[in-house]
Amino acid sequence: AQTVTQSQPEMSVQEAETVTLSCTYDTSESNYYLFWYKQPPSRQMILVIRQEAYKQQNATENRFSVNFQKAAKSFSLKISDSQLGDTAMYFCAFMMAGANSKLTFGKGITLSVRP
Amino acid sequence: EAQVTQNPRYLITVTGKKLTVTCSQNMNHEYMSWYRQDPGLGLRQIYYSMNVEVTDKGDVPEGYKVSRKEKRNFPLILESPSPNQTSLYFCASSLYRDGGEKLFFGSGTQLSVL
Repeated sequence: AQTVTQSQPEMSVQEAETVTLSCTYDTSESNYYLFWYKQPPSRQMILVIRQEAYKQQNATENRFSVNFQKAAKSFSLKISDSQLGDTAMYFCAFMMAGANSKLTFGKGITLSVRP
Repeated sequence: EAQVTQNPRYLITVTGKKLTVTCSQNMNHEYMSWYRQDPGLGLRQIYYSMNVEVTDKGDVPEGYKVSRKEKRNFPLILESPSPNQTSLYFCASSLYRDGGEKLFFGSGTQLSVL
């Protein structure tokens, strides 16, 4: 079974600074996908970024980028130029290719952006 | 607008009173799924459906039922709710190919069972 670990329950960052959220996972599969989801106070689940395990290049989406280390099974999210609207809970998630499309989520990390 | 619609958004009920949370998507997605979110546990899959009349258990199916009679609808049924089913519930859908497709989530249903 796959597991996803987010060991930091909370983080805080000053507006305009950069913050990195950590995530590790455990799997014996070689073909899979990794995601970061954002959940603001509205509770909506918003996809932030997606990484395909067979791609070595790290995914980026505007101010969001990942550091994907396949051998270390690490998938951290970097948020640059943090904005107040980035305040939310962030979930790291794993999806195995070809089976069920089930997302296995970490416990989440609460990020607060200070003005 | 492409969306997944869940109803109701909030529900307070009592132990043992059957309830249904509805989920509907307008994107012609084959795949639909239900998750529950609990503090400190993240989201966990309850049931999923690969297409009409095809459903299967996820990681935490006990106490829940689902049905998929139409492609667009995937209701979650609690026949006899108990307090440990108090949780935030999400419905999600996607086009299913070989995995990795983006999941579209509904807005969530906060359920309290007294």
